[in-house]
Amino acid sequence: QVQLQQGGAGLVKPSETLSLTCAVHGGSFIGFYWSWIRQPPGKGLEWIGEISDSGSTTYRPSLRSRVTISADAARKQFSLRLRSVTAADTAVYYCARWAVPIYGYDYWGQGTLVVVSS
Amino acid sequence: EIVLTQSPDTLSLSPGERAILSCRTSQSVWRRYLAWYQQKPGQAPRLLIYGSSNRPTGIPDRFSGSVSGTEFTLTISNLEPEDFAVYFCHFYGTSRTFGQGTKVDVK
Repeated sequence: QVQLQQGGAGLVKPSETLSLTCAVHGGSFIGFYWSWIRQPPGKGLEWIGEISDSGSTTYRPSLRSRVTISADAARKQFSLRLRSVTAADTAVYYCARWAVPIYGYDYWGQGTLVVVSS
Repeated sequence: EIVLTQSPDTLSLSPGERAILSCRTSQSVWRRYLAWYQQKPGQAPRLLIYGSSNRPTGIPDRFSGSVSGTEFTLTISNLEPEDFAVYFCHFYGTSRTFGQGTKVDVK
């Protein structure tokens, strides 16, 4: 059974960098796209970006200047860094696996509430 | 950029009733890239339908998806207590867009 285990700080100060990791357990890292999606409290889902198993990245245009997604395929882990955060970045952050054959996010992490506050 | 508009915002129904949720795209899209997700409070979303009308293993057959033109529909044929949740559609286009969600709550 595939599991995505998230880690990282739940409180970040304004102007600092949000850092989260997602470890993939019980499945292959190869052959999938690995994504970060966030959800502000009480609101809908917003795609942040993704990385392929070969390291190719795609980002949400409005966040591109502040986001970096990286991956370590050998460790089956990928990471999100979001720089210069503001209160508007407060959200539950999810990692998710996008599977090409089904064109859907079939496995999700448990979610991490990140609050931006001094 | 493709925009997804879900309707209604809230659907109030009783267990056993049928729920019909709509997701309209701002332009014609490849139906293969349209999926539906269910989200319960405090939980991550769960994939319900992919490719507009396909169910992943383990999703009950009371959930079905269809499409007509730019309108995608999620139907829940016989609401169970565990089906009261928020439902999002998603299109895997350039911006990987999600709809704003439809909440199905108990009447």
